[in-house]
Amino acid sequence: NAGVTQTPKFQVLKTGQSMTLQCAQDMNHNSMYWYRQDPGMGLRLIYYSASEGTTDKGEVPNGYNVSRLNKREFSLRLESAAPSQTSVYFCASRDGGLSEAFFGQGTRLTVV
Amino acid sequence: SQQGEEDPQALSIQEGENATMNCSYKTSINNLQWYRQNSGRGLVHLILIRSNEREKHSGRLRVTLDTSKKSSSLLITASRAADTASYFCATDEVYKLSFGAGTTVTVRA
Repeated sequence: NAGVTQTPKFQVLKTGQSMTLQCAQDMNHNSMYWYRQDPGMGLRLIYYSASEGTTDKGEVPNGYNVSRLNKREFSLRLESAAPSQTSVYFCASRDGGLSEAFFGQGTRLTVV
Repeated sequence: SQQGEEDPQALSIQEGENATMNCSYKTSINNLQWYRQNSGRGLVHLILIRSNEREKHSGRLRVTLDTSKKSSSLLITASRAADTASYFCATDEVYKLSFGAGTTVTVRA
């Protein structure tokens, strides 16, 4: 009963390095989301995928790219990490619009 | 800027008291949801209210929605120490799910 699984859980990057955050769900959900959470800012939507094969920008997409690899997996890529991208990243999925979302446990990313 | 804004930012109450927090949002929505987050962990869904509903109950939770004022409130009755958490409203525009900054609730024993 894994639900939404994010890897890695923790990561430290140097400025300019690239990395991909992985997210996989086993609930056969159509929609998937990436958020970042910073102190006092709540969750801000980076990108979302309404269904397999589609992706859309959220509130803060600059500096990120996403890939909806298949129905289960939605990855978030930082091409050239910056200290401003230090944050906790959450992946979520849900059956479609207008339903509850299920969250992963987060990836804590530090860019030095 | 974010779609939803919660008020107050922080709330401290005694065990047994009620906690009320409000959410205001900017654009038309299909439904509004409330989530809880414990100590930086992933969010957990609490309740969903559709745009054509005005009030909804779930256990000790009561949610209201006023689409004319673009606002919602979450009431937690008879609070317990385990209710200590951050609470977020989320506006649902069919596929786009956007969150506010949250209200941090501390329940004192």
